Amino acid sequence: QKEVEQNSGPLSVPEGAIASLNCTYSDRVSQSFFWYRQYSGKSPELIMSIYSNGDKEDGRFTAQLNKASQYVSLLIRDSQPSDSATYLCAVDCGASKIIFGSGTRLSIRP
Amino acid sequence: ETGVTQSPTHLIKTRGQQVTLRCSSQSGHNTVSWYQQALGQGPQFIFQYYREEENGRGNFPPRFSGLQFPNYSSELNVNALELDDSALYLCASSTNWGNTIYFGEGSWLTVV
Repeated sequence: QKEVEQNSGPLSVPEGAIASLNCTYSDRVSQSFFWYRQYSGKSPELIMSIYSNGDKEDGRFTAQLNKASQYVSLLIRDSQPSDSATYLCAVDCGASKIIFGSGTRLSIRP
Repeated sequence: ETGVTQSPTHLIKTRGQQVTLRCSSQSGHNTVSWYQQALGQGPQFIFQYYREEENGRGNFPPRFSGLQFPNYSSELNVNALELDDSALYLCASSTNWGNTIYFGEGSWLTVV
């Protein structure tokens, strides 16, 4: 059974600080990794995708991938109250079958 | 706005009944995946359709079935509804050569 593991949180971060979200996965052959943000009562929306080891930056968001350690992370710089949401880590297990973790709840406190 | 539309947005059914949920994929996307998301959980993969054929299935019983039509729209059918089927049902579309999926707004199903 292919698995994606995340700490459920809640993770509480002061406004303006860096939020760090982590994810591990079990399928060594996975090549594509995604972070989705989900506000309460809404559907998930894609934030970042990453395919190669290292860092990928997009605005205030940085995704980090370490395939040897089977580890993906998402950093949110200058956290804003609007960043308060559940963040879902997702892994492509082949042929567009995307498997999701259970999500980490992030709360940004003013 | 992903261009993926789902209907209905909310519905209430009685245990034992059947339900059909519908999805129109984003223009140019020929692959549709369905997910079930229970409260407090991540989306669970139900199945995927490509060129009107089921192209992979998660750990869901046969009473969960689907269809994909020539225009790439899709239906999810659930028979003999159980209370635990209460969840947000998400449709996601993608191309067959790309692996990024985009979700619709979902259909909230409550089984009473």
